[in-house]
Amino acid sequence: DAGITQSPRYKITETGRQVTLMCHQTWSHSYMFWYRQDLGHGLRLIYYSAAADITDKGEVPDGYVVSRSKTENFPLTLESATRSQTSVYFCASSDAGGPNQPQHFGDGTRLSIL
Amino acid sequence: AQKITQTQPGMFVQEKEAVTLDCTYDTSDPSYGLFWYKQPSSGEMIFLIYQGSYDQQNATEGRYSLNFQKARKSANLVISASQLGDSAMYFCAMREYVTGNQFYFGTGTSLTVIP
Repeated sequence: DAGITQSPRYKITETGRQVTLMCHQTWSHSYMFWYRQDLGHGLRLIYYSAAADITDKGEVPDGYVVSRSKTENFPLTLESATRSQTSVYFCASSDAGGPNQPQHFGDGTRLSIL
Repeated sequence: AQKITQTQPGMFVQEKEAVTLDCTYDTSDPSYGLFWYKQPSSGEMIFLIYQGSYDQQNATEGRYSLNFQKARKSANLVISASQLGDSAMYFCAMREYVTGNQFYFGTGTSLTVIP
């Protein structure tokens, strides 16, 4: 089915571990985004990508790494997880071409770091 | 400075009544888009409505309309004839064109519809 899918939906891990959140979209959208959502902060942008092999930092990039070797995939890696990275993570995609293009979101990954 | 400001953390509305959720924005980009998203308790983010900076008329989508006042830099969401299923978090967002195509989100408004 067309759309944007995130995996896993839920993840529990320990501090210091590396964890990768996957994001896959089937629309061939140019732009992809990673957000974290925490109470009182709304959605905060971690990283975004305008095209394959082009990534840029958002508001809260520290502790995260992204890559985009293919247009459809945009994995987010926590290299050494910390408790402060416990959050709900959303991936989104958007077509290029102007400010009239909305973002379409995945269902989110709920990540708990113990 | 905040790009998007939503000043109402929580709102209540009686079923079948209309409700307005406030959103103000800040940009110097002449070309931008304004969006509203709904996040029900199940967690997904649902796109509701879009307004472009050059649009002359207010956007409407079914029971949703966007009250766009460019000079005041406000983009309020109006939900008419509220239903119980409208209870959710609502986020206002802006996409700037010239300055990088990033999206900026407000902190959201929690709407509760009372039967």
